[in-house]
Amino acid sequence: KNEVEQSPQNLTAQEGEFITINCSYSVGISALHWLQQHPGGGIVSLFMLSSGKKKHGRLIATINIQEKHSSLHITASHPRDSAVYICAVRYDYNTDKLIFGTGTRLQVFP
Amino acid sequence: GAVVSQHPSWVICKSGTSVKIECRSLDFQATTMFWYRQFPKQSLMLMATSNEGSKATYEQGVEKDKFLINHASLTLSTLTVTSAHPEDSSFYICSSDLLSYEQYFGPGTRLTVT
Repeated sequence: KNEVEQSPQNLTAQEGEFITINCSYSVGISALHWLQQHPGGGIVSLFMLSSGKKKHGRLIATINIQEKHSSLHITASHPRDSAVYICAVRYDYNTDKLIFGTGTRLQVFP
Repeated sequence: GAVVSQHPSWVICKSGTSVKIECRSLDFQATTMFWYRQFPKQSLMLMATSNEGSKATYEQGVEKDKFLINHASLTLSTLTVTSAHPEDSSFYICSSDLLSYEQYFGPGTRLTVT
């Protein structure tokens, strides 16, 4: 069983739809990252969260520490949002090591 | 933001040869770099943590004699896949972070062993 679980694994949407990707983890963490990986392979860090909520453009990330759950929302989705979204957690304040979820493959159609 | 580069971006080599992949932090000093491997449609798997001036820390199941890591300076870490086999074909990615713990990833190196 993966320590970091994402759902759904695959997601298709029409342009303009509101998207939600979920991430659950098993023990307390020091930080959670949301990453975006484009088809060419490059990875971009979208958010790093330890509590609450962050917003950047059309992207919103939330985390509930008590429930060990985070969500990534995309408002007004666009075909260029098509990518794999990966949740990763850092369990220990003394290490930079990340544990990765299996990713959610998102396709947004025009 | 911080930039991490990798070279080469793709490489094809014959079975039994060795391949070196470079990871550079372009505008910051990276005391720690991470090396990941990613198979198709799977998530990243941490192979090792590379520390400047000391030995790398390898994850369980990763052969340190096969995947040689050298972090000789604060801006360069190298991963050498020795005696490569077709099963080593994969996408190799490095990353590093700044004091804020934001992760910065290299663009990756696609290795194909024939």
